[in-house]
Amino acid sequence: GQNIDQPTEMTATEGAIVQINCTYQTSGFNGLFWYQQHAGEAPTFLSYNVLDGLEEKGRFSSFLSRSKGYSYLLLKELQMKDSASYLCAVNDYKLSFGAGTTVTVRA
Amino acid sequence: EAGVAQSPRYKIIEKRQSVAFWCNPISGHATLYWYQQILGQGPKLLIQFQNNGVVDDSQLPKDRFSAERLKGVDSTLKIQPAKLEDSAVYLCASSLDSNPGPESDTQYFGPGTRLTVL
Repeated sequence: GQNIDQPTEMTATEGAIVQINCTYQTSGFNGLFWYQQHAGEAPTFLSYNVLDGLEEKGRFSSFLSRSKGYSYLLLKELQMKDSASYLCAVNDYKLSFGAGTTVTVRA
Repeated sequence: EAGVAQSPRYKIIEKRQSVAFWCNPISGHATLYWYQQILGQGPKLLIQFQNNGVVDDSQLPKDRFSAERLKGVDSTLKIQPAKLEDSAVYLCASSLDSNPGPESDTQYFGPGTRLTVL
């Protein structure tokens, strides 16, 4: 089976940095996705890590360690619009999602 | 480029009634997915099509759920009869192809249909 864990909630202040961790135990692995989902909206693609290491994309960065079954999403210079749920999903020829981490950004 | 389209956006029905959802994927995307997202949970894959063939329907409750993608483009998902526990958002997504690779693997989601079963 697939087991994907991420914290339920995180709160941070505008302008700060937040790191969302994701650990996984899955039968197969082709890569790991991060999606952002605002309340009542569809998930939108943020990043896809296939190899170990850090990938940076503007204010967002994503890290993967396949040997440790671990990834994180780093959000820098937080803005109010970053308040959303962040979903970690493992690609094993189909996507298995974690329950999501709700990030609340406070002024 | 137009995104994934879904309709209706909201639907309220009583238990034991039937309901159907429609999805039109991004043009040129061969693979189409239907997910169920219950409040507070991540999306759960119900069925995956590549063109008009089913790739994976292992988590589809086949006694009440059915889906088709007859011409390899748009798709419908049906529930008959609905139960209270079917209340959820039904998301449709599409990707370029099912062959592994970053561009092919990335799934793009539609706005979803929020189903409430009373």
